[in-house]
Amino acid sequence: AQSVTQPDIHITVSEGASLELRCNYSYGATPYLFWYVQSPGQGLQLLLKYFSGDTLVQGIKGFEAEFKRSQSSFNLRKPSVHWSDAAEYFCAVGARVRNRDDKIIFGKGTRLHILP
Amino acid sequence: EAGVAQSPRYKIIEKRQSVAFWCNPISGHATLYWYQQILGQGPKLLIQFQNNGVVDDSQLPKDRFSAERLKGVDSTLKIQPAKLEDSAVYLCASRTWARRRGVEGTDTQYFGPGTRLTVL
Repeated sequence: AQSVTQPDIHITVSEGASLELRCNYSYGATPYLFWYVQSPGQGLQLLLKYFSGDTLVQGIKGFEAEFKRSQSSFNLRKPSVHWSDAAEYFCAVGARVRNRDDKIIFGKGTRLHILP
Repeated sequence: EAGVAQSPRYKIIEKRQSVAFWCNPISGHATLYWYQQILGQGPKLLIQFQNNGVVDDSQLPKDRFSAERLKGVDSTLKIQPAKLEDSAVYLCASRTWARRRGVEGTDTQYFGPGTRLTVL
């Protein structure tokens, strides 16, 4: 069964600093990988996704993520964070179910705090 | 394009009471999901519909939870009777299935704002 691990529950960075949020997955085949962001009181918004092809994926709001099969990782990065990036970030892995459809398994999330 | 609509946004009930949540997906989205998100955790899938049929309800506590999508459009999720541990945000999501150029893949799930349930 697939699973997702986000090792960091909380991350604090200063505004303008670079950011990397870690995500490791477990899945027998090539996974579909996602990063979502959730601001307080809001639903989840997709930042980026990986299905196949180029392992460096560009997303919205200046985020990117790199799929590394050898490390089973899909870390999220941003070169310079803004105060508005403070939120909860979820990594997720998608799987095919009976070759018909898919479901997504979410990690427990990493809460990002931004220092002024 | 209107997003996924959910109501109510907040609900407070006492244990053993009943509650229902409503979701209206994005127009044309055949697949609809209900997730439960307990504080401090990621969303957990409760049930997945494809049109008006259930694809996956393996994690739905069927003794107290039920969901329906009778006409293949909007959906309701019901809890009866509620327990303290049901306090959570209930998220609805919808998506289409897109076949890309030679690569079959899942399209994006779009989430609603959620319903925050507090069981006292």
